[in-house]
Amino acid sequence: LAKTTQPISMDSYEGQEVNITCSHNNIATNDYITWYQQFPSQGPRFIIQGYKTKVTNEVASLFIPADRKSSTLSLPRVSLSDTAVYYCLVGIYNTDKLIFGTGTRLQVFP
Amino acid sequence: DGGITQSPKYLFRKEGQNVTLSCEQNLNHDAMYWYRQDPGQGLRLIYYSQIVNDFQKGDIAEGYSVSREKKESFPLTVTSAQKNPTAFYLCASSGQFYSPLHFGNGTRLTVT
Repeated sequence: LAKTTQPISMDSYEGQEVNITCSHNNIATNDYITWYQQFPSQGPRFIIQGYKTKVTNEVASLFIPADRKSSTLSLPRVSLSDTAVYYCLVGIYNTDKLIFGTGTRLQVFP
Repeated sequence: DGGITQSPKYLFRKEGQNVTLSCEQNLNHDAMYWYRQDPGQGLRLIYYSQIVNDFQKGDIAEGYSVSREKKESFPLTVTSAQKNPTAFYLCASSGQFYSPLHFGNGTRLTVT
């Protein structure tokens, strides 16, 4: 069964690109990856989702290499308001199993 | 305006009392979930339901109970059997397979 791990914390400065990696061994071809952002005392918010190669939307990109042992959330040009906890989630194909990562606390400095 | 509503935002109870947390969604989603979050920690699954009148235990179901009598509603009861009930509780819903989770803004329960 897939187990997901993330770095506990990361620091960055405004305007920099931030890459947060989620390690998930043993995921299958059609298992999908979703990333969420959570501010204190709020529910997590959807950022991006994909299951292979690269997906990009207006706020982030998601990179999933061919071996699928990890995925990387890329936030271009972060701002102070991006300070939050970021969670990856692995969805197991054709099941109702969802596995959250441990979360990464991103601190953006001015 | 579609979404998930959790109420109340803050809840205080005395030890030994059962308490029910409300979760309502108007997204027409089939699946609903309850997660528990302790300070500085990740999300742990308590119960989930894929369809009305059916639900399954998650990783930490002991001391909790749920019902799913309506598609829109998935209330969680924290019973007196739950040894450490003080936590932040999050409800979520989702549509078909691969559909992202939509979360409510949580209920912070304090039991003294």
